[in-house]
Amino acid sequence: EPEVTQTPSHQVTQMGQEVILRCVPISNHLYFYWYRQILGQKVEFLVSFYNNEISEKSEIFDDQFSVERPDGSNFTLKIRSTKLEDSAMYFCASSALAYEQYFGPGTRLTVT
Amino acid sequence: QQQVKQSPQSLIVQKGGISIINCAYENTAFDYFPWYQQFPGKGPALLIAIRPDVSEKKEGRFTISFNKSAKQFSLHIMDSQPGDSATYFCAASYSGAGSYQLTFGKGTKLSVIP
Repeated sequence: EPEVTQTPSHQVTQMGQEVILRCVPISNHLYFYWYRQILGQKVEFLVSFYNNEISEKSEIFDDQFSVERPDGSNFTLKIRSTKLEDSAMYFCASSALAYEQYFGPGTRLTVT
Repeated sequence: QQQVKQSPQSLIVQKGGISIINCAYENTAFDYFPWYQQFPGKGPALLIAIRPDVSEKKEGRFTISFNKSAKQFSLHIMDSQPGDSATYFCAASYSGAGSYQLTFGKGTKLSVIP
């Protein structure tokens, strides 16, 4: 069964450093998403991406964040200058028909 | 108006019992209501989902009941098993903004005891 994959599983970085989180969505899916989950809290929407552009973003997704689909298979989330409060699990999700979103296993980002 | 309120925060059920988790929403534009199951250290897994044109959907031991007038929906897990012990999130989505972003509830930690 096709799955969304994410790398790395755990990323430790120092405050102010740039990080890139990578995702490989399910191959025939057209809609891509990033969500985050701070430990013990609910999953929060960051950004959606369709037809090679951002379709919607939340207030969390400020100028420090960017997304890219560099090669038709990968989908990346970049955080330019990480802050302590960026520490969270970051989930990539994809969907074929907009509604049914399938999540990857997540990348745990720890900012020290 | 974008919130989805979920209760209870935690739930302990005996093996074989029925687990019931409730959610309420305010935004009447929501038109898709999934439930996700999450095990520790894993991503949320789509469990079952419903559209507002039906009042109930059943898949195996999992049933969603939907009350459009009350803007509430619930997940029932029949014959609960220890393997069902996980955190369950309700969510809601709508197509108005063209992105189908999911708004999640805060989650319910279910423990099924033998």
